[in-house]
Amino acid sequence: EDQVTQSPEALRLQEGESSSLNCSYTVSGLRGLFWYRQDPGKGPEFLFTLYSAGEEKEKERLKATLTKKESFLHITAPKPEDSATYLCAVQALGRDDKIIFGKGTRLHILP
Amino acid sequence: DSGVTQTPKHLITATGQRVTLRCSPRSGDLSVYWYQQSLDQGLQFLIQYYNGEERAKGNILERFSAQQFPDLHSELNLSSLELGDSALYFCASSPRTSGRHEQFFGPGTRLTVL
Repeated sequence: EDQVTQSPEALRLQEGESSSLNCSYTVSGLRGLFWYRQDPGKGPEFLFTLYSAGEEKEKERLKATLTKKESFLHITAPKPEDSATYLCAVQALGRDDKIIFGKGTRLHILP
Repeated sequence: DSGVTQTPKHLITATGQRVTLRCSPRSGDLSVYWYQQSLDQGLQFLIQYYNGEERAKGNILERFSAQQFPDLHSELNLSSLELGDSALYFCASSPRTSGRHEQFFGPGTRLTVL
């Protein structure tokens, strides 16, 4: 069964303190792995798509990496406005287009 | 702004009632997805439509149904509502072209069942 597990569930960092969020996945064949940011009460905001092991994507203070079993979202020198829930999702190869989401990591950056 | 619109933003209704949630995808996107998000469950995939046809089903209850119209907007119908149906309902759209499978989410409809 396809599965996505994110850790930690919650993370509190001081402003400027870099860290990484983990997304472990089990899927029969990976079409894509997606990272989203979600603010309370809002819809998830698309950040990155990764397709193959070794791929990396960057946007401002965020960098996403992918291996055959997991993905990391690295946050460098975070600011309070980076506080949000970060969601990881995977899509398997095949006719079905559904995406399976992890439960997310709640990130809180303290000023 | 993702370009996906959802109406209404908030909906308060009573148990046993029926409601309809509406979604307009981004211009040019043929695929529409519906999700339910409650506090303890995270984002749960309900159903997907592609160019008017049902393409994938997730954990959608029999009391729920959806359709996609020729202009590509979609509606999610929830009937015989129960307290446990209170949640945020999101619609997403995707270009679903070769190499482009990411989904773009709307702002959501918050449903409260009293």
